[in-house]
Amino acid sequence: GQNIDQPTEMTATEGAIVQINCTYQTSGFNGLFWYQQHAGEAPTFLSYNVLDGLEEKGRFSSFLSRSKGYSYLLLKELQMKDSASYLCAAMDSNYQLIWGAGTKLIIKP
Amino acid sequence: GAVVSQHPSWVICKSGTSVKIECRSLDFQATTMFWYRQFPKQSLMLMATSNEGSKATYEQGVEKDKFLINHASLTLSTLTVTSAHPEDSSFYICSARDSGTELEQFFGPGTRLTVL
Repeated sequence: GQNIDQPTEMTATEGAIVQINCTYQTSGFNGLFWYQQHAGEAPTFLSYNVLDGLEEKGRFSSFLSRSKGYSYLLLKELQMKDSASYLCAAMDSNYQLIWGAGTKLIIKP
Repeated sequence: GAVVSQHPSWVICKSGTSVKIECRSLDFQATTMFWYRQFPKQSLMLMATSNEGSKATYEQGVEKDKFLINHASLTLSTLTVTSAHPEDSSFYICSARDSGTELEQFFGPGTRLTVL
């Protein structure tokens, strides 16, 4: 079956770095997405990886290893506004997104 | 960037009534749109995939006669919750896939439905 696993909740300190891991199993693979979702709002796109390696975009970076079925989202210089849920989603061979349950990130001062 | 709108943003209705939610892609054509439901503190749950000009594909456990989906044009899909009940109260979010890229989904801002 198809499955996405990511931690339920993580806590980090303002100014620090946090890494949110995601493992996936899908029928075929057309890329891995990360979305940010603040409470009561719709998800917003953060990153897309389809090739192995690290993609850096400002304070956020995303890594993919296709052979391991593994990705992580790295957030640097954490700010209070980064408190949100982070959703990992893998696209299968039918271009359907398989969603993880999301990781709630709590930032403490 | 690609923009998706939803209307209304929030709605309160009485039990037994029907509610229609619109999802529009404003600056791109979307052959495929997706309807999600999200209960508090839970992740997105895909309800159905809406394809322009054809019948929607519903996920297991989603009643197609209760959640009517119409995707009549490349920029508009509607979800009608028929005979709504309090347990249908949720955050409904649509997303649209750009016909040109077939990859990223762009999300609407969501519609919060409260059924009294």
